[in-house]
Amino acid sequence: AQKVTQAQTEISVVEKEDVTLDCVYETRDTTYYLFWYKQPPSGELVFLIRRNSFDEQNEISGRYSWNFQKSTSSFNFTITASQVVDSAVYFCAPSTGANSKLTFGKGITLSVRP
Amino acid sequence: NAGVMQNPRHLVRRRGQEARLRCSPMKGHSHVYWYRQLPEEGLKFMVYLQKENIIDESGMPKERFSAEFPKEGPSILRIQQVVRGDSAAYFCASSPLGQGQFFGPGTRLTVL
Repeated sequence: AQKVTQAQTEISVVEKEDVTLDCVYETRDTTYYLFWYKQPPSGELVFLIRRNSFDEQNEISGRYSWNFQKSTSSFNFTITASQVVDSAVYFCAPSTGANSKLTFGKGITLSVRP
Repeated sequence: NAGVMQNPRHLVRRRGQEARLRCSPMKGHSHVYWYRQLPEEGLKFMVYLQKENIIDESGMPKERFSAEFPKEGPSILRIQQVVRGDSAAYFCASSPLGQGQFFGPGTRLTVL
């Protein structure tokens, strides 16, 4: 079984600050996938990224970047120059396979103040 | 390409009634997943289906809950004889083979 820990429960920053959301996972699988989702106050779940365990390259998408460290089982998410619209709950979720169920962490509530 | 559609968005039922939640996957997606978000408990997997087949139902409660994804039409999550503890947001996700799961807007079920 997989397990994920998002130790930070709530983070509050002022607009334009950088913020990093931590994710630590546990798995006995040699091949697995890692996902991040965003849940804004409106309630829907927005897909942000999928990463497979073979690809340890960090990824950048606009203001978003992800740091995958297999050695420490972490898949951290950084928002650069945060904006109020980034306020949401962010979930990290590992999966044993590309089509397998997601195991969600408890989520991190990010509040970005103007 | 329309996203994953769920209806109704809000559903109110009295204890003992049946709840039927529908999910239409994105075009071309043959994999459907249901998750439940209970207050204070986070998002939990319930069931994974492909057309006419249940692939993984390890997260489904043993009683009162069932799911189907027929050859034609939407996926249905059915909850019989609802109780107050079933009040939650139910999310459906769909996926093409080997890609990430894309979620619908959810159905908020309230049991009175």
